[in-house]
Amino acid sequence: DQQVKQNSPSLSVQEGRISILNCDYTNSMFDYFLWYKKYPAEGPTFLISISSIKDKNEDGRFTVFLNKSAKHLSLHIVPSQPGDSAVYFCAASGVRDDKIIFGKGTRLHILP
Amino acid sequence: DGGITQSPKYLFRKEGQNVTLSCEQNLNHDAMYWYRQDPGQGLRLIYYSQIVNDFQKGDIAEGYSVSREKKESFPLTVTSAQKNPTAFYLCASSMGGGYSNQPQHFGDGTRLSIL
Repeated sequence: DQQVKQNSPSLSVQEGRISILNCDYTNSMFDYFLWYKKYPAEGPTFLISISSIKDKNEDGRFTVFLNKSAKHLSLHIVPSQPGDSAVYFCAASGVRDDKIIFGKGTRLHILP
Repeated sequence: DGGITQSPKYLFRKEGQNVTLSCEQNLNHDAMYWYRQDPGQGLRLIYYSQIVNDFQKGDIAEGYSVSREKKESFPLTVTSAQKNPTAFYLCASSMGGGYSNQPQHFGDGTRLSIL
């Protein structure tokens, strides 16, 4: 049973446009959410996180939105650049959890 | 500079052999984790450790073993009991302290293949 779901395996976006990656979760006890970016044959790198006390967190071109009532979060990348082509993992953890649950990832292709 | 080092980057194993994947960190992190990545499967937790000399099974621990004798080292042994060991293995660490509300830092992975 997937607790963190990324329903789009892949997404293609024109360079310069906005990329929106979506993530749904089922566990209402999750209170901390993260996004990771991964290039082939490398480990994931942390991008941005959000606590459940917020509904938005921004860091440069990256913004994460959290809708707790819908159990949904999204990552917006504006403007999209060629180097953004990678697999993006959504992840979540709960209060006093000692591990993080990852989604299956969405592969983002930035088109020239 | 600080980080996580996984070695080797590529590893080949004959059927019936045990192999050990190395993971070392110099971030002074208490917690360390092993994940397995298969195509279309995301990251699945194998084992994790919050403190030296203690570790817990993750979601797919069968066929694997770990040790945590030093804070900076968390080796993973893939035993012959693991029936489908071909995968990309990732090691991670975080500050720990019983809370996971902090990012995990990952190594660059080891790709294990069966000959």
